[in-house]
Amino acid sequence: DSGVTQTPKHLITATGQRVTLRCSPRSGDLSVYWYQQSLDQGLQFLIQYYNGEERAKGNILERFSAQQFPDLHSELNLSSLELGDSALYFCASSVGDHTDTQYFGPGTRLTVL
Amino acid sequence: GEDVEQSLFLSVREGDSSVINCTYTDSSSTYLYWYKQEPGAGLQLLTYIFSNMDMKQDQRLTVLLNKKDKHLSLRIADTQTGDSAIYFCAEKDTGNQFYFGTGTSLTVIP
Repeated sequence: DSGVTQTPKHLITATGQRVTLRCSPRSGDLSVYWYQQSLDQGLQFLIQYYNGEERAKGNILERFSAQQFPDLHSELNLSSLELGDSALYFCASSVGDHTDTQYFGPGTRLTVL
Repeated sequence: GEDVEQSLFLSVREGDSSVINCTYTDSSSTYLYWYKQEPGAGLQLLTYIFSNMDMKQDQRLTVLLNKKDKHLSLRIADTQTGDSAIYFCAEKDTGNQFYFGTGTSLTVIP
């Protein structure tokens, strides 16, 4: 158990809908990272927040957005969902900003029908 | 984005050493990582190496970095059946962006 929690575990929705994925980092970790893992794209870094501020942006679509709240939990919002958005979404956390150790949550499996 | 390449599959016999290779294109990498993913689970950080190092050893794991050739390898000594998993290499650039390889599926044959 990494100490990072993600909810929900599974999510099934329809095209065009909007969903919110939630992540609680390990106690004391200030950074949160979001990743998408799919069969065709592999593991893609989406975005990182550090202490409430966006720190790095990867291959995140404009339809997706994220934020980190004062209590350090983070949410990833996916809107206008398409079939290709079906994937495993992982959250990871780390103590600091440029630290080298990320701890991954168990992931949320999103299925778009 | 940057390219991080790995071979897809590797099979070894229990007790042998496994060597998983990774090549990358980004010359501004700061850290390079190896992660392990077991079925149905998230990624587990195994080890990492700072880009100005050549080698790092951590128990059964040895990481070798050839920065000139942009080649990273992970050697697992005395491979066990519990080592069967997908192994991802990843690199972090100076902009704090992470790039992952496609993953190498390691199968350990008893």
